[in-house]
Amino acid sequence: AQKITQTQPGMFVQEKEAVTLDCTYDTSDPSYGLFWYKQPSSGEMIFLIYQGSYDQQNATEGRYSLNFQKARKSANLVISASQLGDSAMYFCAMSHTGGGNKLTFGTGTQLKVEL
Amino acid sequence: DGGITQSPKYLFRKEGQNVTLSCEQNLNHDAMYWYRQDPGQGLRLIYYSQIVNDFQKGDIAEGYSVSREKKESFPLTVTSAQKNPTAFYLCASSRQAINYGYTFGSGTRLTVV
Repeated sequence: AQKITQTQPGMFVQEKEAVTLDCTYDTSDPSYGLFWYKQPSSGEMIFLIYQGSYDQQNATEGRYSLNFQKARKSANLVISASQLGDSAMYFCAMSHTGGGNKLTFGTGTQLKVEL
Repeated sequence: DGGITQSPKYLFRKEGQNVTLSCEQNLNHDAMYWYRQDPGQGLRLIYYSQIVNDFQKGDIAEGYSVSREKKESFPLTVTSAQKNPTAFYLCASSRQAINYGYTFGSGTRLTVV
């Protein structure tokens, strides 16, 4: 069975600093995808970044980058130059070929950016 | 603009009542999903549908029912058999590819009164 683990229930970071949100996963499927979503207090889920299991390079999208370490089964999200608007819940998720594109989500990390 | 519309945003249900949450998409996506979100538990899959007139149970389907009569629509009914229905419900859609993420609706917050 697929499993996503996010061990940081809450994180604080100062504005303009970088922050890393941890995510580890467990799967026996050789082909899978890893996603990060942001959920502000309004409740909507916003797609941030995607990494495929066969991608050689780490994914980047603006201030977001995904530190993909396949051997360690980790897919940490790095947010550079944090902004007050980055305060939100962040979810790591995984899809796999045998799952009909179902996503399995972690329990999330609540990030608060401080002045 | 294409997207997913969930309605209503807030819903109150009395004990023993069935309620239906609406989810409509105009993205031409084949697959649609319903997730339930409780505090501290992340998102859990209730039901999903990959094509019209077909759907499968997710991890927590008991007490819920769905239909997929049209590609654009995937309503979720919370029945009286669901013992703890108070939660935030999110609908999503996607293309049929594992490298294609979901587009989510804005959610429905259901409260039992």
